[in-house]
Amino acid sequence: EAGVVQSPRYKIIEKKQPVAFWCNPISGHNTLYWYRQNLGQGPELLIRYENEEAVDDSQLPKDRFSAERLKGVDSTLKIQPAELGDSAVYLCASSLSVYEQFFGPGTRLTVL
Amino acid sequence: GNSVTQMEGPVTLSEEAFLTINCTYTATGYPSLFWYVQYPGEGLQLLLKATKADDKGSNKGFEATYRKETTSFHLEKGSVQVSDSAVYFCALTSGGGNNRKLIWGLGTSLAVNP
Repeated sequence: EAGVVQSPRYKIIEKKQPVAFWCNPISGHNTLYWYRQNLGQGPELLIRYENEEAVDDSQLPKDRFSAERLKGVDSTLKIQPAELGDSAVYLCASSLSVYEQFFGPGTRLTVL
Repeated sequence: GNSVTQMEGPVTLSEEAFLTINCTYTATGYPSLFWYVQYPGEGLQLLLKATKADDKGSNKGFEATYRKETTSFHLEKGSVQVSDSAVYFCALTSGGGNNRKLIWGLGTSLAVNP
């Protein structure tokens, strides 16, 4: 069974540029999460989807971040414009329940 | 709100040494508790879990017991291997319904030397 797929694995951009991350969850997993992980810290939930619906986006900085999950499968997380403080690893996870989340390898974003 | 506190790393051990990584929590209600592991270059993966008091989660030689009286969920392994070198995260469930989520510790880095 294929795991959670994320792309790109690495992204380097200049500040004020836009950037997008893509995630393909495990087949059949209705719940999809986007996390941000700063160096030396645990993951911080940005948004959680149940199928197409964003059920928890309370931690998503909506002035510059947006996300979508069309058709309840793949998801895209976008930052526009990026700031220096957005440098982090962006993790996508999927699950059948909150008790076990399956993570992708993450996208390491560097904003210069 | 719910929170998790892990011992700070890095932890450096020799192969076959005994490992303990401390995790304590603050929570309302009866959360489920987890240990996730992140190997170099890989995504986080669930190592073990416990869903109620006195439950013991175990996997790959690792164990952790849900201690409600001490609000702890310490990770232990009797004999570590080089391949156990990774970052270990303690987490717990918080909230319910649309607000349910995992609350994460900061992670503890483990390096095992041959």
